[in-house]
Amino acid sequence: VQLVESGGGVVQPGGSLRLSCAASGFTFSNYAMHWVRQAPGKGLEWVAFIRYDGKYKYYADSVKGRFTISRDNSKNTLYLQMNSLRAEDTAMYYCAQETDAFDIWGHGTMVTVSS
Amino acid sequence: QAGLTQPPSVSKGLRQTATLTCTGNSNNVGNQGAAWLQQHQGHPPKLLSYRNNNRPSGISERFSASRSGNTASLTITGLQPEDEADYYCSAWDSSLSAWVFGGGTKLTVL
Repeated sequence: VQLVESGGGVVQPGGSLRLSCAASGFTFSNYAMHWVRQAPGKGLEWVAFIRYDGKYKYYADSVKGRFTISRDNSKNTLYLQMNSLRAEDTAMYYCAQETDAFDIWGHGTMVTVSS
Repeated sequence: QAGLTQPPSVSKGLRQTATLTCTGNSNNVGNQGAAWLQQHQGHPPKLLSYRNNNRPSGISERFSASRSGNTASLTITGLQPEDEADYYCSAWDSSLSAWVFGGGTKLTVL
């Protein structure tokens, strides 16, 4: 069972990035997924959730209207489209599989928002 | 979104017992209970328990969770050096339609 995030990098304020999370070792289409982030030296912050079939999505207030979570079950991949990025979005972004809670985590991809 | 409340730090001696707390409200911890995660420096979090006292396979019996009202607790017995880490609680908040995390507790094993 493995989750591998990619797509992070350095972006200017107001810019966009799309993160990906490639899943393997389990039937991706059967599981809900989350994005969780962690600013440098700070705690965990839940970002977004998507149900196994993509029909239900929830967002943290801090990203609502700017970030979009999606998935392609045919490609076993989870996405996070991030627009209108701000300095406070700088963080390590993790994807996590939900069996019972945040069961399986990737190693994360770093997003830095800076001019 | 309001988070859950955890003490910033706890220190205990080797082979002692540590109890970490996580306080929420009736919409989150008091409703569906809490999950606990452990994070070592430089590593992703690892799930220790969910819905109060269910342990994923492979998690030591030294870790046990419970809940009383709106407060969840994680008890770690026989503390080992490798237990030194950050511990987070999390819960679904039905009034916010969002998951919330505690600020984390740094456990130091003396």
